[in-house]
Parts: sequence; structure tokens; C-alpha cells
Amino acid sequence: DTGVSQDPRHKITKRGQNVTFRCDPISEHNRLYWYRQTLGQGPEFLTYFQNEAQLEKSRLLSDRFSAERPKGSFSTLEIQRTEQGDSAMYLCASSRGIRSGLNNEQFFGPGTRLTVL
Amino acid sequence: GDSVTQMEGPVTLSEEAFLTINCTYTATGYPSLFWYVQYPGEGLQLLLKATKADDKGSNKGFEATYRKETTSFHLEKGSVQVSDSAVYFCALYRQAGTALIFGKGTTLSVSS
Repeated sequence: DTGVSQDPRHKITKRGQNVTFRCDPISEHNRLYWYRQTLGQGPEFLTYFQNEAQLEKSRLLSDRFSAERPKGSFSTLEIQRTEQGDSAMYLCASSRGIRSGLNNEQFFGPGTRLTVL
Repeated sequence: GDSVTQMEGPVTLSEEAFLTINCTYTATGYPSLFWYVQYPGEGLQLLLKATKADDKGSNKGFEATYRKETTSFHLEKGSVQVSDSAVYFCALYRQAGTALIFGKGTTLSVSS
């Protein structure tokens, strides 16, 4: 399968612990996005990368959140000192580039469901 | 800022009924508009898109027309099937390659 993959699919942690999620985009895609989706809501943008450069961060991305894409391929999203309010589905998406049109479609992974107890 | 508003669900229909899910948007300039679908247990999939006014996106029997005068992008299907049961999200971006802004989603349930 050459789609976007995310690991783990589910994570249960205790409040105050750190967690890290991984996203592997489609191989020829140079844009990578992170979104968060809470129950009954649509996905909300967190941050995105063009290759290894982090180009934009949402106000939702507090200081406890950090994302990296060190070699412009896979990306990690770390949450430090987790809180119950961090419980959500974390979605990763990738796209081919910055040109408009079909080639810029964002393809989504299955998500990582985080539960903070 | 930019935003998307969808009709609240759930929408419950019988098989072969006509479907409309309303979507309106607020954005400066000329955004591109999308419908995504999320089937149970699966990730988001692009259903259809339109990039300029009066464009009609279509896929799998679903259609939506970009109406700039009413800032709307309503999703329609003439005859729904049980397999169409899913959550549908309307979304936009102002510039290609930037973040998508999603509505809250509308749950569709189709019974046979």
C-alpha cells in the first residue's frame, strides 16, 4: 500500500506522560500536514511542512506540542505533559506540492487515536 | 477568518432517496472547495472538488456546484445507497498547498 500511514493507530496514556506519533507520507509528496479531530468536529489544522521546513503552525499548537520532519520524509508529532483535553484523533495528510489543481490533493492517513486518562 | 458551515445531522434516509447536505463558506478571495467522506473505521477520502465559481464537482453519483453568489457548495445525490452511510465534511482552502478548513461534518445514515 503506498498511502499515508500512521503509527500507532491507538495510544492510551496517563495524564502528564509524553507521547510521540509518526506519519509516513506518500513517497513523492513534499508537503505534510497534521490535523486534530475531536468527537463531533471536523479536523482542525495544526501545522504543515514543505520538505523539512515547518512553514505554518496553528494557534492550537501549544508549547507542549512539537513536530519535526528531519529529512523531509516521515514526520513525528510529540505531545509533552499530556492533558485530558489532548484526547483526540491526530490525522496526517500529504500532498504533492504547491501547485493548484488535482496534483495538490491532500491524502489522509487513518489517524492515531489518543486517549489521555 | 475563513470558515465552513454545514447543516447539522444526522441525516437519515431510505435507500434511493434524494440527498442534499448544505454547505456555506466564508472566505476572502476565491477559495477551492471540497467534499471529503469518512466511512466507518476509515480515513478521510476526497469525494469531489471545485476550484472556481460555477464549477461542478462530481464523483460516485455525488455532485456539488461552486456558487459564489450564495457562497455555497451543497452536496447532492439523486439516489442514495446503504453504502453511502458515512460522515461528510465540507472544506476549503484559500491557496493550494495550505491548510484545509473543515466544517463540523454531517452524518448520513441510509437504511434499506
